Amino acid sequence: DTAVSQTPKYLVTQMGNDKSIKCEQNLGHDTMYWYKQDSKKFLKIMFSYNNKELIINETVPNRFSPKSPDKAHLNLHINSLELGDSAVYFCASSRGLAGGRDQETQYFGPGTRLLVL
Amino acid sequence: AQTVTQSQPEMSVQEAETVTLSCTYDTSESDYYLFWYKQPPSRQMILVIRQEAYKQQNATENRFSVNFQKAAKSFSLKISDSQLGDAAMYFCALYLGYSGGGADGLTFGKGTHLIIQP
Repeated sequence: DTAVSQTPKYLVTQMGNDKSIKCEQNLGHDTMYWYKQDSKKFLKIMFSYNNKELIINETVPNRFSPKSPDKAHLNLHINSLELGDSAVYFCASSRGLAGGRDQETQYFGPGTRLLVL
Repeated sequence: AQTVTQSQPEMSVQEAETVTLSCTYDTSESDYYLFWYKQPPSRQMILVIRQEAYKQQNATENRFSVNFQKAAKSFSLKISDSQLGDAAMYFCALYLGYSGGGADGLTFGKGTHLIIQP
């Protein structure tokens, strides 16, 4: 009964490749997010997305693009991978604009460790 | 832009003792939410506790409680009766909500590594 799941958990790839990380939530939440955790464990928001609006952190390179086939999924596509993209990527979700109690609390997936060689 | 500061990179406590982790933040908004998340070696981000800024009462969850001082912009976490399973990185996080551009997500501090000594 995983609430927020990500695949794969580990991803090792070569520089220049294109890769995707999938995220699914079964909580019925309206808003989903992608975060990057660097080697010093610092977490930073990359994107937030609900069924109407994508908000992109201005520091994120345009090689990164989120794609949402439906409300329960927000996948992360990365083109032309670089060494500096190596990190742990977390997906999260919240009730968001769906409202209700605890709408602000974000629940995280298990993370995907990406290593670019 | 909002910021979150955790000034203690590492803390150590004896099992069964009490420890307090510090967090200060800065925002010009009056309505926001504060969270503590725990990240054990498994790397899973686990919600520990949350606090709404409009509530004066400090949040508590079993052995975990916060000391929320809105005027001082301080949000410390107290862990009572520390257990070995509490060993983890602890992150303080700020969320502005939708009125404050909250769709931008959580702003995290750099984390405090908590060590529990048996």
